[in-house]
Order: sequence, then C-alpha cells, then structure tokens
Amino acid sequence: AQSVTQLDSHVSVSEGTPVLLRCNYSSSYSPSLFWYVQHPNKGLQLLLKYTSAATLVKGINGFEAEFKKSETSFHLTKPSAHMSDAAEYFCVVTFSGTYKYIFGTGTRLKVLA
Amino acid sequence: NAGVMQNPRHLVRRRGQEARLRCSPMKGHSHVYWYRQLPEEGLKFMVYLQKENIIDESGMPKERFSAEFPKEGPSILRIQQVVRGDSAAYFCASSPQRPGHSTDEQYFGPGTRLTVT
Repeated sequence: AQSVTQLDSHVSVSEGTPVLLRCNYSSSYSPSLFWYVQHPNKGLQLLLKYTSAATLVKGINGFEAEFKKSETSFHLTKPSAHMSDAAEYFCVVTFSGTYKYIFGTGTRLKVLA
Repeated sequence: NAGVMQNPRHLVRRRGQEARLRCSPMKGHSHVYWYRQLPEEGLKFMVYLQKENIIDESGMPKERFSAEFPKEGPSILRIQQVVRGDSAAYFCASSPQRPGHSTDEQYFGPGTRLTVT
C-alpha cells in the first residue's frame, strides 16, 4: 500500500537558520510527490512538485526538495527561515494514473525571532 | 483566473441539522475532489467527481454523506443529520485534466470549517 510519513509533527527553528522537514514514502510504483503549505485558516498552497524529471526540485519562497529513490525520501529544505514561513507543511504522494492524493499528517513549523 | 472557491468558509450546525458545502472549481476545470481534514490529521480523500458523474466515492462515509457536481453550478458536499464527529475542515480541489495526465495537479480551495455543536 502507498503511504507517506512525515517524521516530525513539530519543528522549531530560529529565524535565519536552515529548515529541514522530513518526508518518507512507500510505494511499489514511481510516485509524484508534492509539498503543500497551509497557513492558519487558509487553503493549501503548492510549494513544489516532483514528477520524475530532475531529482532536485526548486519551489516558491526559496524552498527546495530532493527526491532520493534509494532512501524513499523527499525532504523539504530552505537555507534560511523567515518568520512568514511559520505554517503547517504537508508532504503528498500520488501515482501516475491515479487521483487520490495521499497526505502525510503534517509538520508544524515554528520560526523563532 | 480566480482560484477554487469554497463557501461558506465557516459553518456551524447543531447536531441533527444538514450541512451543505459548496465548491466552484477553477475556470476550465471539470474534475473536482473533496477531502476532509480532521483535527491534527492530514487530509483524507473522500470523493472524485466530474460533471454529472461520481467517479469514485470510496472515501465517503456510507451514510449521511453525498456529493454532486451538476452540469451547471458548483459541486455540493451534503452531510445530513450532522454529528459532532463531522466537525472538520473540508477541502475541495479541482484539476483541468483527467488523472494521469502530466498536468493533473490538483488546485485546492481555502476549505470550509464545519463545527457541529
């Protein structure tokens, strides 16, 4: 069965320091992978997506993620956190020919001044 | 191009009442998906619709929940006789292409937060 695991439910970083949000998936097929961000009481915004092209994917707001097939991981990183990055982040997996997005349980990012 | 629209944004219902949630997909999108987000959880797929057709409702509770996407107008998620456990955020997404197409990315609306008292 396909699944996605976000290893940390909460992450706290200081402003200006790097961000790492971890995501692992399990699948027998080649996945498409996404990271979405949800600010309080707002909808989901797509940060970036991997669809079997380059393994290093650059997204909006300085975020990027690297697809590592050998580790079945798709961790989200940003070199320098900003206060406005505080939000909940969801890793999502889906598979070619399907439409059911499978969401991780989310990681709440807190950015300290 | 306006994004996916959902209304109302917040809905309060007493136990036993009906809740109707509306979703207008992005212009040109004919595929609609509903997801539910329970507190402290990720989103879970509920149903996939195309115009006038339910394609997959495998994620819908068997009773009290129904969805439609008529030829004209928004998609509606209807919950009859609501219970406290229905309190959640309900998100709608739309896509322009059939699933599996290279541009089948789903675009999400802001969600409707349902509170059952």
